[in-house]
Amino acid sequence: NAGVTQTPKFQVLKTGQSMTLQCAQDMNHEYMSWYRQDPGMGLRLIHYSVGAGITDQGEVPNGYNVSRSTTEDFPLRLLSAAPSQTSVYFCASSYGRFNEQFFGPGTRLTVL
Amino acid sequence: GQNIDQPTEMTATEGAIVQINCTYQTSGFNGLFWYQQHAGEAPTFLSYNVLDGLEEKGRFSSFLSRSKGYSYLLLKELQMKDSASYLCAVAYAGNNRKLIWGLGTSLAVNP
Repeated sequence: NAGVTQTPKFQVLKTGQSMTLQCAQDMNHEYMSWYRQDPGMGLRLIHYSVGAGITDQGEVPNGYNVSRSTTEDFPLRLLSAAPSQTSVYFCASSYGRFNEQFFGPGTRLTVL
Repeated sequence: GQNIDQPTEMTATEGAIVQINCTYQTSGFNGLFWYQQHAGEAPTFLSYNVLDGLEEKGRFSSFLSRSKGYSYLLLKELQMKDSASYLCAVAYAGNNRKLIWGLGTSLAVNP
């Protein structure tokens, strides 16, 4: 099993550009989530999904969209990148919201 | 609020024992997680406590006191590879279900 995979590992964007961070899991987990991690801020939940076709907002959803068309995939879209979105992004999956979470390796995003 | 408090940094010596504390708001408590995160890597799950007491897993143990809103992670026989950040996360149930993450404790193990 590959677990949780994320692409790309590194990305540099210019302000105003859009892009999609990919996340996939092969553990048949219903719950998937996106976090960003910034120094001194800890992990903050952006969006989450409790199953295919169901998504909801986390603590810091502004500027991001998600969709969940399959159990396996949960892409995160940055609509119009801003320097404040410079961060490390982690995708995670688990059987349920309060179960052990399995994290992807992360995407290090810089917005200039 | 539902703040999670844990020390920012700790230092210990190889072979020693270290205890990393975590305190949290007790209202709505539904479980506590510990994760390990090495620099530049993703968090990985260490332990989960929902009942009072000590859970032991090899060199790592985690303790919970629900009435006191307190947990600790105990690392024994420290090794250099244990140098990492240790994240405490608390699950809250009820109308405002959420998982709250602490900022992490950065542990440096010195030879």
